[in-house]
Amino acid sequence: DIQMTQSPSSLSASVGDRVTITCRSSQSISSYLNWYQHKPGEAPKLLIYAASSLQSGVPSRFSGSGSGTDFTLTISSLQPEDFATYYCQQSYSNPQFGQGTRLEIK
Amino acid sequence: EVQVVESGGGLVQPGGSLRLSCAASGFTFRSYWMHWVRQAPGKGPVWVSRINSDGSSITYADSVKGRFTISRDNARNTLYLQMNSLRAEDTAVYYCVRESKHWFVPYFDFWGQGTLVTVSS
Repeated sequence: DIQMTQSPSSLSASVGDRVTITCRSSQSISSYLNWYQHKPGEAPKLLIYAASSLQSGVPSRFSGSGSGTDFTLTISSLQPEDFATYYCQQSYSNPQFGQGTRLEIK
Repeated sequence: EVQVVESGGGLVQPGGSLRLSCAASGFTFRSYWMHWVRQAPGKGPVWVSRINSDGSSITYADSVKGRFTISRDNARNTLYLQMNSLRAEDTAVYYCVRESKHWFVPYFDFWGQGTLVTVSS
């Protein structure tokens, strides 16, 4: 199985900050990497697919990059509605999610 | 509007069974691969099973293989998950998820709100 490791596991930041979350896979997955946002009581929401493609309707402050084993999700200027938990997910083989990054208000 | 709505969760004793349903609307259900993903309290999501568009190809996570059965009824736009021999570690919110593809890269573009399954005596 391909293991996905996210860092950090939690992060405190302020509105307006630039935030970067990283995700590393245990083997190369090319660009088979997706990012999701999850808020309590809501359905998870797709943000980025295929490592760097922005899902329709997602604000442009979200961006993704990387290929192979190392990937990043960047939020260019944090907004109040962005405080949530973020997960990476590989779709190269049977889907596997990272353990999550909880983004909290500083 | 694309919608997937899960139902059928609840409290069940260890060793018991439960059948989850997922009603899909707002898209051509028979054209999409569908998945079940679960999330235990305080944990990240874990993929459970997938079924292709016509039901001819099915895959399971090792943790549920032999106990869970995924199926679909394209005439009723409904996805199912039959869960047998339930264990405490199966306790989770179960999500019905639609798969789309960008070139060859699959991703989960629509998730339901989830249905809670609690396995406890």
